[in-house]
Amino acid sequence: DADVTQTPRNRITKTGKRIMLECSQTKGHDRMYWYRQDPGLGLRLIYYSFDVKDINKGEISDGYSVSRQAQAKFSLSLESAIPNQTALYFCATSDFPSGGPSSYNEQFFGPGTRLTVL
Amino acid sequence: GESVGLHLPTLSVQEGDNSIINCAYSNSASDYFIWYKQESGKGPQFIIDIRSNMDKRQGQRVTVLLNKTVKHLSLQIAATQPGDSAVYFCAEGRPSGYSTLTFGKGTMLLVSP
Repeated sequence: DADVTQTPRNRITKTGKRIMLECSQTKGHDRMYWYRQDPGLGLRLIYYSFDVKDINKGEISDGYSVSRQAQAKFSLSLESAIPNQTALYFCATSDFPSGGPSSYNEQFFGPGTRLTVL
Repeated sequence: GESVGLHLPTLSVQEGDNSIINCAYSNSASDYFIWYKQESGKGPQFIIDIRSNMDKRQGQRVTVLLNKTVKHLSLQIAATQPGDSAVYFCAEGRPSGYSTLTFGKGTMLLVSP
């Protein structure tokens, strides 16, 4: 979805380096998410944020941190990259659901960042 | 390049056939289900969703069926086209106060002309 952009699209780095992946959206959504995707494992949730002051850990948050700088921006950091963090990383956004805070809306995904840690 | 489709279940069909992709979900308390399509080199794209108070929902050329008794979800694609070739993921929403989704591992659909 062109309304959700991720930078960089590809990155190769070395073990121990600090890496930041950035996500921006023009959809005006409050909710943003970071996922990683590994071959044959589907998408796993790293962190999510339901507004600028809200940050929550997902299924696999160890080794990652996030920052919600504004409604439109949500960045993912790897403080000290390791090879098993080599994966595809996706940012997603969703609107506040009409059914209330515990309801659901579809998530719109960015194009992904391919990260390789050597 | 590396493919997210490696090691995935694969369904191969001929163009024009109907395709059925299946998904078993794990939590009987899940009350929202969604199907995504992921083409090579792209992010997942929404196809269709269904809430647990329904057992069938239809879209354009797609139908989702939900069987809560056996915790099974299926995506039916009518008159499958080569452009439908992709990895298809189901996801479930579990009531937890926060509406996050848990994704399945995916199925690769290959459509031959």
